[in-house]
Amino acid sequence: TQLLEQSPQFLSIQEGENLTVYCNSSSVFSSLQWYRQEPGEGPVLLVTVVTGGEVKKLKRLTFQFGDARKDSSLHITAAQPGDTGLYLCAGASIQGAQKLVFGQGTRLTINP
Amino acid sequence: EPEVTQTPSHQVTQMGQEVILRCVPISNHLYFYWYRQILGQKVEFLVSFYNNEISEKSEIFDDQFSVERPDGSNFTLKIRSTKLEDSAMYFCASSGGWSYNSPLHFGNGTRLTVT
Repeated sequence: TQLLEQSPQFLSIQEGENLTVYCNSSSVFSSLQWYRQEPGEGPVLLVTVVTGGEVKKLKRLTFQFGDARKDSSLHITAAQPGDTGLYLCAGASIQGAQKLVFGQGTRLTINP
Repeated sequence: EPEVTQTPSHQVTQMGQEVILRCVPISNHLYFYWYRQILGQKVEFLVSFYNNEISEKSEIFDDQFSVERPDGSNFTLKIRSTKLEDSAMYFCASSGGWSYNSPLHFGNGTRLTVT
């Protein structure tokens, strides 16, 4: 069974600080996705990383896929209160497959 | 922007009763999915559906569960005889393709409470 472990599960920091969320597994994934989920809503895709070592940037968010495609990180620079939310990583085990394995999520709170 | 809609938003049922959760996927999407999230736990894959048949299902998706696309627009999940442990948020999703560059679009979920 493939597992994705996210850390930390909870993170509360001040506005303007930087942070990194980690997503780790002993399994190889063909792609890894990061989602953001607001209360009462479904997950919304932020980014998909596919190639080992790939780095993608989305404004102040930087996503990296590990060289071995077993881990990923989300780095937020100069966090803002609007970044507050639940961040989920999800891995796809077969090329093109949409049977995603989710991490348990990181609940991020940015304090003004 | 097109979205996946789910009804009802909250369903309360008694143990042993049948429930049907409804979803309207994005209109030009061809692949459909159900995921669930038990409170405090990870989002889990239940089933994927394409061309009017199940493509893949998880161990959770036993004989008590079934899916159907009855009329070309709706996509339903039926739980035949609900158990307490079926209480969860159920998310429907759809995608235009099977590859990673056809992202899943999730609905806002149906919270199922089994009493």
